[in-house]
Amino acid sequence: EAQVTQNPRYLITVTGKKLTVTCSQNMNHEYMSWYRQDPGLGLRQIYYSMNVEVTDKGDVPEGYKVSRKEKRNFPLILESPSPNQTSLYFCASSLSFPLRYNEQFFGPGTRLTVL
Amino acid sequence: GENVEQHPSTLSVQEGDSAVIKCTYSDSASNYFPWYKQELGKGPQLIIDIRSNVGEKKDQRIAVTLNKTAKHFSLHITETQPEDSAVYFCAASRSTDAGGTSYGKLTFGQGTILTVHP
Repeated sequence: EAQVTQNPRYLITVTGKKLTVTCSQNMNHEYMSWYRQDPGLGLRQIYYSMNVEVTDKGDVPEGYKVSRKEKRNFPLILESPSPNQTSLYFCASSLSFPLRYNEQFFGPGTRLTVL
Repeated sequence: GENVEQHPSTLSVQEGDSAVIKCTYSDSASNYFPWYKQELGKGPQLIIDIRSNVGEKKDQRIAVTLNKTAKHFSLHITETQPEDSAVYFCAASRSTDAGGTSYGKLTFGQGTILTVHP
């Protein structure tokens, strides 16, 4: 089944403890992206990647890191999480870019709480 | 950068009525406007999109209109059903940045919670 998977789905952690949220797609997609969803703010793009070893900042990249060493994986790293990073995170992928010609598929989300 | 405003934040309708959600955008270079539906506990899913070279697109009960001059676009759902109840997001994107480099940013609106009462 073609899909985007994220792990973990739920995570409660404490301030300053490094964590990684994994994202993987099995559709051979070039483009991958991370978003956070907060009430009243919609989804905001954190980072995106147009291909292996190519990453760019979205609108809210502060406090996050990403890497794209393989085409299928795009992990989101929080080196020192803070409570304001408590959010619902979504990974997404599309075959290529620009997005106007390539549908974006979303993962199921990761609910992160930072105490 | 792009800024997308979406209204209303909540919308309640009776089954069979129409629902309209409106979005405005700020970047005149934006040329792609998707709409996503998010059901409870799931990720957003594309339901319809429109590109800047057309003014309207329809897919069964769902339609999207685009006014490039006014920089706004709208989602229209006719003959609403309870299963249409969800959060709807509009978004905007451009193909290249000001320097002509391929562009991967997508800016979302704040979302609309649509409730369809049986």
